[in-house]
Amino acid sequence: EAGVAQSPRYKIIEKRQSVAFWCNPISGHATLYWYQQILGQGPKLLIQFQNNGVVDDSQLPKDRFSAERLKGVDSTLKIQPAKLEDSAVYLCASSLDRSSPNEQFFGPGTRLTVL
Amino acid sequence: AQSVTQPDIHITVSEGASLELRCNYSYGATPYLFWYVQSPGQGLQLLLKYFSGDTLVQGIKGFEAEFKRSQSSFNLRKPSVHWSDAAEYFCAVSGTYKYIFGTGTRLKVLA
Repeated sequence: EAGVAQSPRYKIIEKRQSVAFWCNPISGHATLYWYQQILGQGPKLLIQFQNNGVVDDSQLPKDRFSAERLKGVDSTLKIQPAKLEDSAVYLCASSLDRSSPNEQFFGPGTRLTVL
Repeated sequence: AQSVTQPDIHITVSEGASLELRCNYSYGATPYLFWYVQSPGQGLQLLLKYFSGDTLVQGIKGFEAEFKRSQSSFNLRKPSVHWSDAAEYFCAVSGTYKYIFGTGTRLKVLA
């Protein structure tokens, strides 16, 4: 079974530029999550999708971050414009559904450096 | 509010020694508890999980964890550490669908 795929693995941009990350969840997984992991901290949930609908985006900085999951499969996370404090690893995870309890499967992450 | 505390930021052990990583949580009801491991440049891999039942949970790679409700703890243990266990370990609590992660414990293994 293929795992969660993410690209790119690394990205370096200058502040005020825009950037986009892509995630392909495990086949058949209805729920998709984006996390931000700042160095020295645990992952923090940014947004959760159930199929192509948003379930929780309470911690997403909506003035600069956006995410979509068209057709309920792949997802993209965008930052525009980027700030220095956005430097982090962005993790995508998926789970079979959002029922409780659930097990989340994580991708390798995208490491973003904002200069 | 839900929270997870991992009191040890760094732990160093010798190869072959035993290991215990601490995790304390705050949650109003019975939580679902997880331990994940993250190797450098990798995503998180699930080591074990507790949903209900036996409070001693066995996981992959020889790890186990014990849920102690009275102490609000879910400590991770391994009887004999291997050099390949060097990584960062995260405890997480979930009540519904949302995970709350601790800040992690970075494990260093001395040869």
